[in-house]
Amino acid sequence: EADIYQTPRYLVIGTGKKITLECSQTMGHDKMYWYQQDPGMELHLIHYSYGVNSTEKGDLSSESTVSRIRTEHFPLTLESARPSHTSQYLCASNPGTSGNTDTQYFGPGTRLTVL
Amino acid sequence: QKEVEQNSGPLSVPEGAIASLNCTYSDRGSQSFFWYRQYSGKSPELIMSIYSNGDKEDGRFTAQLNKASQYVSLLIRDSQPSDSATYLCAVSPNTGFQKLVFGTGTRLLVSP
Repeated sequence: EADIYQTPRYLVIGTGKKITLECSQTMGHDKMYWYQQDPGMELHLIHYSYGVNSTEKGDLSSESTVSRIRTEHFPLTLESARPSHTSQYLCASNPGTSGNTDTQYFGPGTRLTVL
Repeated sequence: QKEVEQNSGPLSVPEGAIASLNCTYSDRGSQSFFWYRQYSGKSPELIMSIYSNGDKEDGRFTAQLNKASQYVSLLIRDSQPSDSATYLCAVSPNTGFQKLVFGTGTRLLVSP
């Protein structure tokens, strides 16, 4: 099981602000993911990373960007927040070990509200 | 057709009963299957994974996989009110990268 941390847990911010949602894991997992989930709705993959200096866009188009400079750290940035960005953002990582290569473990999430 | 389909529910069962949750998927090449539990406002928590046809049991939970029918299910025996949550089925499609596709989830309500 992975230890995945997300900060802040809750964020209320005004339109137009730049925000960064932090995600870190202490298990040395190469693969990390960001999902967006609206209340009562399904998870949508918005970004993922194979490892350091690798980032890819997911299935759901997002105005956010990510970076992966260190294995343990996968921050997500919104340059100019809008009310449409209000959602829960979930970070996950994958140990990628033999026989268990697809399992993802989730952090506690960040609930973002843009006013 | 969605890649992973689940009945949204709610599925209501009395305490002590068996809850049966179902999931179908479209990618016949899928190799890995997962059940997550998500309480309201919380993040998904892995319950079980299953990779080969048949049953896999872990405590009160049993996952069943039938690749020929593209069907995976989760049975919860002796259901408890604390089992009330949304159960997400997730499938790893045959893409060569460890990406999961999630269903919309089935909401389970266990009444005391």
